[in-house]
Amino acid sequence: GQQLNQSPQSMFIQEGEDVSMNCTSSSIFNTWLWYKQEPGEGPVLLIALYKAGELTSNGRLTAQFGITRKDSFLNISASIPSDVGIYFCAGPHFGNEKLTFGTGTRLTIIP
Amino acid sequence: GAVVSQHPSRVICKSGTSVKIECRSLDFQATTMFWYRQFPKQSLMLMATSNEGSKATYEQGVEKDKFLINHASLTLSTLTVTSAHPEDSSFYICSARSRDEQFFGPGTRLTVL
Repeated sequence: GQQLNQSPQSMFIQEGEDVSMNCTSSSIFNTWLWYKQEPGEGPVLLIALYKAGELTSNGRLTAQFGITRKDSFLNISASIPSDVGIYFCAGPHFGNEKLTFGTGTRLTIIP
Repeated sequence: GAVVSQHPSRVICKSGTSVKIECRSLDFQATTMFWYRQFPKQSLMLMATSNEGSKATYEQGVEKDKFLINHASLTLSTLTVTSAHPEDSSFYICSARSRDEQFFGPGTRLTVL
């Protein structure tokens, strides 16, 4: 089945630093989604990517859809305390709406 | 934006009892809703797809007789965990599709004693 591996698994950074995380797949995806989940909450969509090579920004967040359609990265610039959470990539299965979620990257900001 | 609610937000029950979790789309109709399970420090795993007016479709390895899904209306899907056991303790999250996006509920934390 489709698997999405994220790295790093966790990150400990200082406020103000930039963050970069990525997601790789064993198979091709036509859409890449990046979600953020805070403790005890459901995931919230941050950025959606629909075309290979696409680079999309949402405030301090930037994400790119890899040319091979098997990877994507998410960057966060000038991190702030509210960026803390778990970031998941996700993609729909071919031909239907079901989503496969990545393994997640847990972001912690050191005061 | 589209809002999805879940009730209850957390529930504690005794082993062997059944627990019902509701998922509602508050400001839109959803013919399809999804149920996920998330164990501590793990990712979301899709359990089943809930279809309004028809039977749910379950992912491989998910027991349909244990996790009963009812999608009675375009705004409500329920998940009933029957004869719950401690290993069913988890965070259950639903989502509902509006246009091209899935909107997620806030989750339900189930603890089975």
